[in-house]
Amino acid sequence: NAGVTQTPKFRVLKTGQSMTLLCAQDMNHEYMYWYRQDPGMGLRLIHYSVGEGTTAKGEVPDGYNVSRLKKQNFLLGLESAAPSQTSVYFCASSRTGGIEQFFGPGTRLTVL
Amino acid sequence: KQEVTQIPAALSVPEGENLVLNCSFTDSAIYNLQWFRQDPGKGLTSLLLIQSSQREQTSGRLNASLDKSSGRSTLYIAASQPGDSATYLCAVVSGAGSYQLTFGKGTKLSVIP
Repeated sequence: NAGVTQTPKFRVLKTGQSMTLLCAQDMNHEYMYWYRQDPGMGLRLIHYSVGEGTTAKGEVPDGYNVSRLKKQNFLLGLESAAPSQTSVYFCASSRTGGIEQFFGPGTRLTVL
Repeated sequence: KQEVTQIPAALSVPEGENLVLNCSFTDSAIYNLQWFRQDPGKGLTSLLLIQSSQREQTSGRLNASLDKSSGRSTLYIAASQPGDSATYLCAVVSGAGSYQLTFGKGTKLSVIP
């Protein structure tokens, strides 16, 4: 039981490049979330999903897209990376809403 | 909009001391409150979850309390150890729909041997 895993762990992009971050969970959870963590800002919600095939915007969604084609996977895409997207990205999941969320190890992204 | 504040931002204590970390939130209509631990360069580890109907939760040397009416929670750590050194994050779920966590900025704890 691996819990929540994230791929890749580290990535460096140039401004304008695109990439996809993958989150996978093996706990059969319905809800999945993408957060970003920045110094002095705390963690903030980017997008979330309440089940397979659903996505919704969180607090800071601009510049990101997401997809949840399979229940166990939640993908976060950056179409045209900007230096302001340099951050640590965390994925989380929960069995349903309003209960304990479990976090992945994070992806450290640097945009030059 | 829900806001979560953690005081102090940093705390240094000698090994063996009991300590309290504080968390306050502006909107008392919460579903639950969760305490996390984060080690440098690592992810978040869930420590305790308190549902809105509960007053406290305990796990080993950790005890978390919740006072919804005053918008406060405390995390009590007994007999602190150097291995407890980490950043402790408080987060609340306060909205239906997304059930997103709103985080505080954390308290960085250092336990000195």
